[in-house]
Amino acid sequence: QKEVEQDPGPLSVPEGAIVSLNCTYSNSAFQYFMWYRQYSRKGPELLMYTYSSGNKEDGRFTAQVDKSSKYISLFIRDSQPSDSATYLCATHGSSNTGKLIFGQGTTLQVKP
Amino acid sequence: DADVTQTPRNRITKTGKRIMLECSQTKGHDRMYWYRQDPGLGLRLIYYSFDVKDINKGEISDGYSVSRQAQAKFSLSLESAIPNQTALYFCATSDPGLAGTGELFFGEGSRLTVL
Repeated sequence: QKEVEQDPGPLSVPEGAIVSLNCTYSNSAFQYFMWYRQYSRKGPELLMYTYSSGNKEDGRFTAQVDKSSKYISLFIRDSQPSDSATYLCATHGSSNTGKLIFGQGTTLQVKP
Repeated sequence: DADVTQTPRNRITKTGKRIMLECSQTKGHDRMYWYRQDPGLGLRLIYYSFDVKDINKGEISDGYSVSRQAQAKFSLSLESAIPNQTALYFCATSDPGLAGTGELFFGEGSRLTVL
C-alpha cells in the first residue's frame, strides 16, 4: 500500500464547477501537507500547504486536512480552464528533509 | 532564465548506454533532489543532497548514481540504461528556511526514453 493514495482521474468538469480533489495517507506521524500543481510539460509548483488539521484558504482554493481520518482535500471554486493541470498531494513528517511523499496525481480538465 | 535548469529536456537512448542528466540552479539553495515521475506512480525520490559533501539515497536509487559538483550543480547518471528507466525525471531544490512549507522548486523535467 502506498503511503499516500490519490485517484489519478482524469476528472473533467465544466467551467464554474466546484472541484474536489482528495488523498488519503497511512502514517499518522505526517504533519505537513501540500498540494502541488503541474501544468503539461512543466515541473510541479507548490500551490498550498497546511500544517496538522484544519482548513486553509487562498482565493478560489481551499485545502483541508482531517487527521482523524487521514484525509486531505483541495477544493477549487469557480473552476477555470486555466486550472486544467495535474494536482499532486504530498506530505512529510515533522523533520523536514525535503523527502516529500507524493500521491499519484489527479489530472483535471476544466472545459469552457 | 529558469531558476532550475535541466539538460537535456528530451533524450532517446538504447539499452545498455550510459546517460547523464544534468541540473543547475540559480536559487542559491543547498538542498537538491532528483525525482522520477511515472504515470500512475507519481513522483518518487531517487537521490538527494544537502550540500556538496552530502549524498543520500532515496526511495528508488538502484540503477542510478549522482554527483554534486558544486552547490549549484547536481547530476544524475544511469550507468547502463534499461527500458524500465523510461520516465520523466525532475531535479528540485529547497531552502531549509522554508521547512514547514515543504516547498520544492522543480526544473521543467528531462524526458528519457530507453529503447
